[in-house]
Amino acid sequence: GESVGLHLPTLSVQEGDNSIINCAYSNSASDYFIWYKQESGKGPQFIIDIRSNMDKRQGQRVTVLLNKTVKHLSLQIAATQPGDSAVYFCAENRNYGQNFVFGPGTRLSVLP
Amino acid sequence: EAQVTQNPRYLITVTGKKLTVTCSQNMNHEYMSWYRQDPGLGLRQIYYSMNVEVTDKGDVPEGYKVSRKEKRNFPLILESPSPNQTSLYFCASSLSPGVTEAFFGQGTRLTVV
Repeated sequence: GESVGLHLPTLSVQEGDNSIINCAYSNSASDYFIWYKQESGKGPQFIIDIRSNMDKRQGQRVTVLLNKTVKHLSLQIAATQPGDSAVYFCAENRNYGQNFVFGPGTRLSVLP
Repeated sequence: EAQVTQNPRYLITVTGKKLTVTCSQNMNHEYMSWYRQDPGLGLRQIYYSMNVEVTDKGDVPEGYKVSRKEKRNFPLILESPSPNQTSLYFCASSLSPGVTEAFFGQGTRLTVV
């Protein structure tokens, strides 16, 4: 079935470096995407979202890029900090639908 | 503080013993949903509710029931739990699905033996 997936299950980066977490989606009808961060023992927390009429959106230290041509989404974290260590999920929504489809997640580890 | 509250946080039960996981939100959101999270599978939607007395199945509804008698509460009911329902469960609410983000509860870790 259609799903949102992630290219890498784990990612390790040095503190202070930039992190890039990737996500591939399969449904070209998807028009709203969200990145969530899940820390150990907690529920997912919203980081940033983007709609299909945009290809880039920036927040505080985070940028989401959307490439509709290849159905690819990425999350860039600038100057990665220890507090960024978590599992990151991308989620897609189709046509104001009732269901977000989540990928399996990427675990980001920040090395000192 | 805006939040989604689930109870209990942890639960161990035996096969066949009915249980209810409660979920409450204080943001006056119309939309609420339940997800289960399993290793390597991400979050999968069990049931959702667009408003009071309006519920519908998500991707993995088998073995679960829900009710929405009040806007703030959306309990998840397992009438006869089985070991394959051992999982981490999350309740979420949002102002409008597909338009705004969902807010998640802290999770309920359920073990069925």
